Amino acid sequence: GQNIDQPTEMTATEGAIVQINCTYQTSGFNGLFWYQQHAGEAPTFLSYNVLDGLEEKGRFSSFLSRSKGYSYLLLKELQMKDSASYLCAVRDNYGQNFVFGPGTRLSVLP
Amino acid sequence: DGGITQSPKYLFRKEGQNVTLSCEQNLNHDAMYWYRQDPGQGLRLIYYSQIVNDFQKGDIAEGYSVSREKKESFPLTVTSAQKNPTAFYLCASALQGAVQPQHFGDGTRLSIL
Repeated sequence: GQNIDQPTEMTATEGAIVQINCTYQTSGFNGLFWYQQHAGEAPTFLSYNVLDGLEEKGRFSSFLSRSKGYSYLLLKELQMKDSASYLCAVRDNYGQNFVFGPGTRLSVLP
Repeated sequence: DGGITQSPKYLFRKEGQNVTLSCEQNLNHDAMYWYRQDPGQGLRLIYYSQIVNDFQKGDIAEGYSVSREKKESFPLTVTSAQKNPTAFYLCASALQGAVQPQHFGDGTRLSIL
């Protein structure tokens, strides 16, 4: 079966660092993707990992361990505008399909 | 500019009525997807299509239908059999066979009158 798990909600303070975890069990693996979604808007692409390790893009980094079925998104120097939902998605090999986790709602407090 | 266009932005459905949501892309992507999102929830796959004239059911296909007559277009019909259609509907596309992310349209918010 396909299963992706993320924490439902997280809270952090402006200027801090937050790590959002994602664990997955999917039939095949062809990349893990992180999206940001503000309320009422479409998801926007943040980062992806295909190989194990850390990918850094400015204030955002994403890590992958395929053997553990685990990824995290790291957000540094948090800003108020980072308050949003963060979606983890895995692309499988077979249907070329994307399986989404439930999303983590992050609240950044002043 | 290349992108995905969904229309309308807001749609209201009467009891017993079928409604169709439009999704058009000019990114030359082979694969297209329809998702449903309920408040505070993640994305659930309704249908997807990897090639023209072919599509597959997702996890919640009941009460919905699609067509893929052209590469650029993947309309979704919400039929009267879908008893709880109120949700945010997102269309996405992606390159086939490549490790590339999906691109999303701006979504259609459907409500029942």
